[in-house]
Amino acid sequence: AQSVTQLGSHVSVSEGALVLLRCNYSSSVPPYLFWYVQYPNQGLQLLLKYTSAATLVKGINGFEAEFKKSETSFHLTKPSAHMSDAAEYFCAVRRGRDDKIIFGKGTRLHILP
Amino acid sequence: DTGVSQDPRHKITKRGQNVTFRCDPISEHNRLYWYRQTLGQGPEFLTYFQNEAQLEKSRLLSDRFSAERPKGSFSTLEIQRTEQGDSAMYLCASSLDTLATQYFGPGTRLLVL
Repeated sequence: AQSVTQLGSHVSVSEGALVLLRCNYSSSVPPYLFWYVQYPNQGLQLLLKYTSAATLVKGINGFEAEFKKSETSFHLTKPSAHMSDAAEYFCAVRRGRDDKIIFGKGTRLHILP
Repeated sequence: DTGVSQDPRHKITKRGQNVTFRCDPISEHNRLYWYRQTLGQGPEFLTYFQNEAQLEKSRLLSDRFSAERPKGSFSTLEIQRTEQGDSAMYLCASSLDTLATQYFGPGTRLLVL
């Protein structure tokens, strides 16, 4: 069965520093992988998705993620954190043959001034 | 494009009461999904529709829950005889077709007292 594990329920970085949010997936078939962001009292917004094309995926707001099959990882990065990046981030996986998305438990990103 | 809308945004009810939530998907999106998100967790899949047909229901969807999409446009999620454990954020998403990107609404936050 598909699943994702997000390492660290809370991550704090200083403004301007590198953001690294970790996600490992488990899938018996080639996965579709996603990162979503959720701002307080709002729904989820798609940051980026991996669909077996390029392993380095660029998303919105300067975020990118790299699919590493050997490590079963799909970590999210951003070179320079901004205060507006403070939010909850969810890694998610979907099988190629159906629409159900399985979400991780989320990582809350705090940006320190 | 007005995005996915949900109504109400917040609902407080007493245990044992029935509640109904509405979701209006993006126009012309054939697929509509319901997820539930409890505090500190990622969203969990509940059910989804292809037009008016309900294609899959999670085991999380007990017999107190029912979802409809009568004309293939908006959808309703009803919870009968609410319990405190039903307190959560209920998220709706829609997509153009199979395996297309799911766009999420702002959610309905339910509190059962």
